[in-house]
Amino acid sequence: DQQVKQNSPSLSVQEGRISILNCDYTNSMFDYFLWYKKYPAEGPTFLISISSIKDKNEDGRFTVFLNKSAKHLSLHIVPSQPGDSAVYFCAASGAGSYQLTFGKGTKLSVIP
Amino acid sequence: KAGVTQTPRYLIKTRGQQVTLSCSPISGHRSVSWYQQTPGQGLQFLFEYFSETQRNKGNFPGRFSGRQFSNSRSEMNVSTLELGDSALYLCASTTGTSTNYGYTFGSGTRLTVV
Repeated sequence: DQQVKQNSPSLSVQEGRISILNCDYTNSMFDYFLWYKKYPAEGPTFLISISSIKDKNEDGRFTVFLNKSAKHLSLHIVPSQPGDSAVYFCAASGAGSYQLTFGKGTKLSVIP
Repeated sequence: KAGVTQTPRYLIKTRGQQVTLSCSPISGHRSVSWYQQTPGQGLQFLFEYFSETQRNKGNFPGRFSGRQFSNSRSEMNVSTLELGDSALYLCASTTGTSTNYGYTFGSGTRLTVV
């Protein structure tokens, strides 16, 4: 039973354009959501997070949107750069839980 | 500030053997978590330790175990290795005192079981 789903295994975007990565979750107990970026042979690197009491969080080129009623979140990268090419993981945790539940990732390719 | 250090980076073991992986968290971080990454299952939570106590455990068989020492360093052990245990094992650390947190991951140990 996949509680966090990233339905697009891959995404290609032209440099300078917007990248939108999507994530859906089923567990209504999740209250904190994170995005990680991962290069091959490296550990995931934290990008941005959002608490369930917010619907948007912005950090530079990265913005995360949360729609609690739809149990959906998205990561927007504007403008996309070739260095953004990596696998992006969505993760979630519940209140009082020190456990992250990850989606299976979306491979983003930014084409110069 | 040093990051999360995992040793060894690569390991090849034979079926039936056992293996121990090590993780040194960021200084001051008292929570250490372990995750298994495989192509088919993605990143899956193994267990989490805080102040030498296991607080959370994922859905893995008892062959997977771990511990944490008083200096917050952690080890995980896999006994009676199976081919399906081949994976990237990732360790992550955080302060462990708040549920709104950012985990910092190490580079992982790539285990190959032959």
